[in-house]
Amino acid sequence: EPEVTQTPSHQVTQMGQEVILRCVPISNHLYFYWYRQILGQKVEFLVSFYNNEISEKSEIFDDQFSVERPDGSNFTLKIRSTKLEDSAMYFCASRARLAGTPLEQYFGPGTRLTVT
Amino acid sequence: QKEVEQNSGPLSVPEGAIASLNCTYSDRVSQSFFWYRQYSGKSPELIMSIYSNGDKEDGRFTAQLNKASQYVSLLIRDSQPSDSATYLCAVRGLTGGGNKLTFGTGTQLKVEL
Repeated sequence: EPEVTQTPSHQVTQMGQEVILRCVPISNHLYFYWYRQILGQKVEFLVSFYNNEISEKSEIFDDQFSVERPDGSNFTLKIRSTKLEDSAMYFCASRARLAGTPLEQYFGPGTRLTVT
Repeated sequence: QKEVEQNSGPLSVPEGAIASLNCTYSDRVSQSFFWYRQYSGKSPELIMSIYSNGDKEDGRFTAQLNKASQYVSLLIRDSQPSDSATYLCAVRGLTGGGNKLTFGTGTQLKVEL
């Protein structure tokens, strides 16, 4: 069964450093998402991406964040200068195109980001 | 502020019983609703989706939706210890191009032997 994959599973970085989190969405999916979950809190939407551009972003997704689809398979989240409060689990999700197909989003296993 | 509300629990049920999980949402125009299961330290796993009023059954799981009351629930029949997890209710918005999911805080379910 196709699944979303994410690397690395755990990333430790120092405050102020740049990190790139990587995701490979399900191959025939066209909508891609990043969510995060701070320990003990709810899953929060960060950004959605379709047709090589951001379609929606939350207030969390400020200028320190960026997303990119560098090739036909990868989808990345970059945090330019990490802060302690960026420590969280970051989940990538994908779904099929809207018309005539299910609207379900499928989540990857996540990357645990620890900023020290 | 569009919200999704869930009782955080824990909800404890004996093995073999029916577990009932509830969720309310504030955005009346929401159309799509999802239940995810999340084991500790893992990612959300989709269990059910429901788009129309009424019941939708899939194996031991039944999702129920009442848009007039802005209420969605998940019933788990014949609960097993492996069902012990946090159950997340998620609502898909209509606004915004990507149709993000808004999650509740989740209800922790414990199925006891």
